[in-house]
Amino acid sequence: DSGVTQTPKHLITATGQRVTLRCSPRSGDLSVYWYQQSLDQGLQFLIQYYNGEERAKGNILERFSAQQFPDLHSELNLSSLELGDSALYFCASSPGVSINEQFFGPGTRLTVL
Amino acid sequence: AQSVTQLDSQVPVFEEAPVELRCNYSSSVSVYLFWYVQYPNQGLQLLLKYLSGSTLVKGINGFEAEFNKSQTSFHLRKPSVHISDTAEYFCAVSGDSNYQLIWGAGTKLIIKP
Repeated sequence: DSGVTQTPKHLITATGQRVTLRCSPRSGDLSVYWYQQSLDQGLQFLIQYYNGEERAKGNILERFSAQQFPDLHSELNLSSLELGDSALYFCASSPGVSINEQFFGPGTRLTVL
Repeated sequence: AQSVTQLDSQVPVFEEAPVELRCNYSSSVSVYLFWYVQYPNQGLQLLLKYLSGSTLVKGINGFEAEFNKSQTSFHLRKPSVHISDTAEYFCAVSGDSNYQLIWGAGTKLIIKP
């Protein structure tokens, strides 16, 4: 158990819909990272937050957004969903912004029908 | 920009045989290198990391990796694999000016009984 929790575990929705994925980092970790893992794209870094502020952006679509709240939990919002958004979405956390081990949550499996 | 190449998408090996999973990265002044493992239906967890010091790094579950600066490689090895090592292994690199992790495409280790 990494100490990172993600909800829900599974999510099934339809094209055009909007969903919110939630992540609680390990106690004391200030950085949260979001990743998308799909069969065709592999593991893709989406975005990082540090202590409530956006720190780095990866291959995140404009239809996707994220935020980190004062209690350090984070939410990833996916809107206007397409079939190709079906994937595993992982959240990871680390203590700070410098190089550190990232601790991964169990993931949310999103299926868009 | 940094890039990471995992040369094999799948590596089949017999149980109790040795294995090497290859990882090459694009050169940089200094790098930090990681191997993560993803067991079926789970998130990623850190196997080992190289930040500085000895180029031979030992990790969990009997794995080790050697940092070779001249060949820009960080290959992962285990002298004798077990069926429980069946997983996907990811190599990741971070540069000194950018702490973001750049991920390889992953290598599936398939253990044959």
